[in-house]
Amino acid sequence: GAGVSQSPRYKVAKRGQDVALRCDPISGHVSLFWYQQALGQGPEFLTYFQNEAQLDKSGLPSDRFFAERPEGSVSTLKIQRTQQEDSAVYLCASSLTFSTSGIYEQYFGPGTRLTVT
Amino acid sequence: GQQVMQIPQYQHVQEGEDFTTYCNSSTTLSNIQWYKQRPGGHPVFLIQLVKSGEVKKQKRLTFQFGEAKKNSSLHITATQTTDVGTYFCAGQRYGGSQGNLIFGKGTKLSVKP
Repeated sequence: GAGVSQSPRYKVAKRGQDVALRCDPISGHVSLFWYQQALGQGPEFLTYFQNEAQLDKSGLPSDRFFAERPEGSVSTLKIQRTQQEDSAVYLCASSLTFSTSGIYEQYFGPGTRLTVT
Repeated sequence: GQQVMQIPQYQHVQEGEDFTTYCNSSTTLSNIQWYKQRPGGHPVFLIQLVKSGEVKKQKRLTFQFGEAKKNSSLHITATQTTDVGTYFCAGQRYGGSQGNLIFGKGTKLSVKP
């Protein structure tokens, strides 16, 4: 079946521009996660949703970052007034639901590589 | 704050040699997951460990979760060129947000044929 898809795959933005990154999770997956991955680093948690509810946004670096998942499926990560330090790969992941012991495996999308010039 | 440290950062091995990466947390974890990311690719889930002292095997890969649930390791026996990639551990701390996984910086494995 179809995996997690993200669009666009590559985005070049001029400093100060707003960008919107889209994530289509696997159909039926309840949980959706956003991560930021800098070159040579591990993914860093940004935020996650359970259905349409944003349960944790503690990883968002500043109030310029905003995420939504209004109908509990597709999600959008918006970055306002982009800065050079926002350049990174933004990964989206989804999972079926939470197990009693923690998190079911996360399925990652291919990521959006954002370059701010 | 919560940190998950991974060592070594890089490992170069000859094909057929063994490989081990270690993951250490500053606090007790409720569970730990391992992911593999091929060059230019995205992380792919390998396994989740939940119980203290747990050991799981997947063919040539052996995963361990420490008794104190603060450390973990991944061991690959007789590496192959298909094992090339970066291996990440990702831990979830007790009392933290259920969705908040803390990733290590990864161990990049290269295999010389």
